[in-house]
Amino acid sequence: SQQGEEDPQALSIQEGENATMNCSYKTSINNLQWYRQNSGRGLVHLILIRSNEREKHSGRLRVTLDTSKKSSSLLITASRAADTASYFCATDSGTASKLTFGTGTRLQVTL
Amino acid sequence: EAGVTQSPTHLIKTRGQQVTLRCSPISGHTSVYWYQQALGLGLQFLLWYDEGEERNRGNFPPRFSGRQFPNYSSELNVNALELEDSALYLCASSLSGADEKLFFGSGTQLSVL
Repeated sequence: SQQGEEDPQALSIQEGENATMNCSYKTSINNLQWYRQNSGRGLVHLILIRSNEREKHSGRLRVTLDTSKKSSSLLITASRAADTASYFCATDSGTASKLTFGTGTRLQVTL
Repeated sequence: EAGVTQSPTHLIKTRGQQVTLRCSPISGHTSVYWYQQALGLGLQFLLWYDEGEERNRGNFPPRFSGRQFPNYSSELNVNALELEDSALYLCASSLSGADEKLFFGSGTQLSVL
C-alpha cells in the first residue's frame, strides 16, 4: 500500500525556474525522506527530515514538513535540465525496514 | 567504493517460468531490501533480509521468495511467472536494519511474455 501521495504527478518547467512537489501521508512518522529516480533506474537518497524538524536545506533542495497536516514539500531552486527525474517521498516509522514510498512526481526541466 | 549491484539488468521470460534475480549490497551493509516497481507506479515493498534472516515481507504471494547468503548478498526468486510480474525489481541495502537510509541498485527489468 502507498503511504505517501505526491502531487503533482507530473511537472514541466524551464531551466532556472523553481520546482515544488508535495507529499501527503496518512500515519504518524519518525522521518520522511525524498529520493530521486532517473529514467526508471535506481533511486538516490536526497534528503531526510525528522518529525521534530520543520525545514531542512541541502544545496538547491529545501524540504519542509508539517506533521499536523501530514504533508511535506520538496523545493528545487534554479532547476537544471539534469534535475529531470522522478521524485519520491518515503515515510519511515523508524527504520529503513519500514520505508513506504509514494507514487512519485515526474519532473521535466527543459532548456 | 562499489554501490549496490544487481544482475541481470534485463530479463525476458514467458508465463509459468521461474526467475532468479541477484543483488550484492554495499560492502559492510547487512540489510537487503527488494522492491517491485511496475511501469509508472511507486515502489512496492517485497522482502527485507538482515543478517541472513527474512525479517519482513510485503503483500505478495508465496511464489515470491528469496534468501540472503553469509556474505549478505541476496537472491529474489519468482516462480510461476505471470504477466503482471513484469516490472523493475530494485534491490537496496542499508548499514543495518536499524539504519534509516537506503542505497539502491540500478534494478533488473523483468518482462514476462
